Amino acid sequence: IAGITQAPTSQILAAGRRMTLRCTQDMRHNAMYWYRQDLGLGLRLIHYSNTAGTTGKGEVPDGYSVSRANTDDFPLTLASAVPSQTSVYFCASARGFTDTQYFGPGTRLTVL
Amino acid sequence: GIQVEQSPPDLILQEGANSTLRCNFSDSVNNLQWFHQNPWGQLINLFYIPSGTKQNGRLSATTVATERYSLLYISSSQTTDSGVYFCAVYSGGGADGLTFGKGTHLIIQP
Repeated sequence: IAGITQAPTSQILAAGRRMTLRCTQDMRHNAMYWYRQDLGLGLRLIHYSNTAGTTGKGEVPDGYSVSRANTDDFPLTLASAVPSQTSVYFCASARGFTDTQYFGPGTRLTVL
Repeated sequence: GIQVEQSPPDLILQEGANSTLRCNFSDSVNNLQWFHQNPWGQLINLFYIPSGTKQNGRLSATTVATERYSLLYISSSQTTDSGVYFCAVYSGGGADGLTFGKGTHLIIQP
């Protein structure tokens, strides 16, 4: 079934640990995104990639890094997790950066 | 950056009622989308509607780009319509992603 998968579904992480959230899409979309969702703040853009090999910073990029080695995968890395990074993380993709975005199921991350 | 405001923040209705959700944005947009986040957290795209009117079953949406607002209409509400409805826009300046409003939390009671 075509779509976006994210892994893990949920994770509890000790502060200071490194963590990579995985995102894979099989729709051959050029654009991919990472958002975080926090109560009262809605969804905010962390990083984006308009095409393989390029990435850009969103509204809240500090403490996160991404890479886009190929079309399908867009991992998000927390180099040294902090409690303020406790959130639900959504990956999304779109055919182009002005097109309809489709979202993955999300990863619930708790940093203690 | 662009500001997106949604109203009302919360709405409780009886099954069968109609509702109108509003989204105001502070600048011109290239892209406006409405999403439904169901109680399990899944985000479902409802409409891609930078301008004009679209309908899909009991749901319809209208965007008046010149006046910087969009409306989502839900008719004959069902309990499965419960959840949070988000409006999100892409303005074309700065980061190439969507800017979301804070959503309208809709509860449909049987």
